[in-house]
Amino acid sequence: SAVISQKPSRDICQRGTSLTIQCQVDSQVTMMFWYRQQPGQSLTLIATANQGSEATYESGFVIDKFPISRPNLTFSTLTVSNMSPEDSSIYLCSVGPGGYEQYFGPGTRLTVT
Amino acid sequence: QQQVKQSPQSLIVQKGGISIINCAYENTAFDYFPWYQQFPGKGPALLIAIRPDVSEKKEGRFTISFNKSAKQFSLHIMDSQPGDSATYFCAASYNNNDMRFGAGTRLTVKP
Repeated sequence: SAVISQKPSRDICQRGTSLTIQCQVDSQVTMMFWYRQQPGQSLTLIATANQGSEATYESGFVIDKFPISRPNLTFSTLTVSNMSPEDSSIYLCSVGPGGYEQYFGPGTRLTVT
Repeated sequence: QQQVKQSPQSLIVQKGGISIINCAYENTAFDYFPWYQQFPGKGPALLIAIRPDVSEKKEGRFTISFNKSAKQFSLHIMDSQPGDSATYFCAASYNNNDMRFGAGTRLTVKP
């Protein structure tokens, strides 16, 4: 498995602002993923971020709204831009160390007022 | 994105009983089927997983049953304990990517 940390753990932001969420892994991994989990709901994949290539976004998610960086094999960031109350969610990063498994970080709880 | 259907939405079981959660999928390209356990305020934790070349996998009190022809799989929790109370998600993925999650089942184990 892998140990994953996320910063911040939670934040309250005003609409129209942006927040960058960091994901750090304790080992080098090829594949990193970003998910959104709305309160009491399931997980929805936002994008796949592989080092050395552009992030691949799922339908309904666009780079202008959720820009992602993947500068090396242990780190990634997700920015939630021009936030609205509808962006209030838990944002989770996960990693695929090389097999089929995905391991999740603790999540970032975002509230937009 | 919901390509995996999960039931029931919530489940209440007495301590010592068997908890059963079911999932169904449509995409025959899926080749990996994990179950995740999530406690409030935490990220999902990988519990157990199965590949489609086996029909059952057991790890401790947790068992996955897999029916490839019916495109269904289920999680059985034997001797359920209050500490098992959590939300459980089934998922499916293919090509080591693109994991799709079920809607989740909130399990409550009463002492």
